Amino acid sequence: GAVVSQHPSWVICKSGTSVKIECRSLDFQATTMFWYRQFPKQSLMLMATSNEGSKATYEQGVEKDKFLINHASLTLSTLTVTSAHPEDSSFYICSARDRAGLGTEAFFGQGTRLTVV
Amino acid sequence: GESVGLHLPTLSVQEGDNSIINCAYSNSASDYFIWYKQESGKGPQFIIDIRSNMDKRQGQRVTVLLNKTVKHLSLQIAATQPGDSAVYFCAEIPNQAGTALIFGKGTTLSVSS
Repeated sequence: GAVVSQHPSWVICKSGTSVKIECRSLDFQATTMFWYRQFPKQSLMLMATSNEGSKATYEQGVEKDKFLINHASLTLSTLTVTSAHPEDSSFYICSARDRAGLGTEAFFGQGTRLTVV
Repeated sequence: GESVGLHLPTLSVQEGDNSIINCAYSNSASDYFIWYKQESGKGPQFIIDIRSNMDKRQGQRVTVLLNKTVKHLSLQIAATQPGDSAVYFCAEIPNQAGTALIFGKGTTLSVSS
């Protein structure tokens, strides 16, 4: 099956610093990628939809200046958490659907555990 | 807003039993549904999917049932094994290109041997 690779799998950073998370589709082209955040014992909450070559679409309540998303190619999207604070500590997961779009499953990265100290 | 929800947050079964995990959805425009399994510290793993023109689909040890009349999904796991212990999410996808999955709250399945 299709593979989505997410890096790093975990990161610890100091409060106030920025962290970049990469999401790559390894064997298919993803016009659209999705970024989710998951707090302990909760479901995945969509943060933003990343569109190749254009600006990301953010869900209500998600600060676009804090969570910078870049989707420069059909196989790579990045999420940068700027000026991270302890409350940003969470499990971040990216997802991609095949370029075909309709009626296709989404493939998930392995997730990135961010801890801000 | 519209969302997908699960009936029970936890389910405990004995090894060898059959497990049934339920999910209710509210978006009548959704036409594709997926069940995911998530183990601790990992991303969701695809289990099985079903389209709205079907009411049942079987995989290896798993069956998904879709009742569009009452907007209900269920995942049945036959002969549950300890390795099946995880959190299970149902997700729906509206019939629109480029849209994200909407996840339910999740059911934690615990299998004891």
